[in-house]
Amino acid sequence: EIVMTQSPATLSVSPGERATLSCRASQSVSSNLAWYQQKPGQAPRLLIYGASTRATGIPARFSGSGFGTEFTLTISSLQSEDFALYYCQQYNNWPLYSFGQGTKLEIK
Amino acid sequence: QVQLVESGGGVVQPGRSLRLSCAASGFTFSSYAMHWVRQAPGKGLECVAVISYDGSKKYYADSAKGRFNISRDNSKNTVYLQMNSLRVEDTAVYYCAKELGYGWFDPWGQGTQVTVSS
Repeated sequence: EIVMTQSPATLSVSPGERATLSCRASQSVSSNLAWYQQKPGQAPRLLIYGASTRATGIPARFSGSGFGTEFTLTISSLQSEDFALYYCQQYNNWPLYSFGQGTKLEIK
Repeated sequence: QVQLVESGGGVVQPGRSLRLSCAASGFTFSSYAMHWVRQAPGKGLECVAVISYDGSKKYYADSAKGRFNISRDNSKNTVYLQMNSLRVEDTAVYYCAKELGYGWFDPWGQGTQVTVSS
């Protein structure tokens, strides 16, 4: 099983600033990584797939990077609606997909 | 638009059974693998079960093996999760999700709450 580890657990950032979230895989997942945003009481929403491709309708301030075992989600200028939980997911080996434990992005 | 709607959740005693349903619309259901993903209170996301587009392949998390059964009816655009011998630790919001492309999930349903308690 591939274990995904996200850091930090909580990130405090001011609106308008940049946020950088990290995700590490226990073994290489190539570029088979997705990022999701989840707000309280809502289902997760796809942000990024293929490590760096934005999903339909996702603003350009969201960007993903990385390959292999190290990945980053960057939000370039935080808006109020961006404060939420973020999860990474590897899909390198069907069907044994796994998620990170999440990063809570909170207002500083 | 593409939509997934779960139903069937509720409060159940340990050892009992529950069947969840997920009705799909807005896409060719029979072309996509479907997943059930759960989220325990205050916890992260766990893939529970997956079924291939035609129902020929099914896989389960270790926590679900031998107790849960995933199935689908492509004529009804619906995927099911039969949960037997439920445990307190199965308490969670259960989401169904469509596997798009090579493994990412989009969209997700709104979720259905399952509470296992005596």
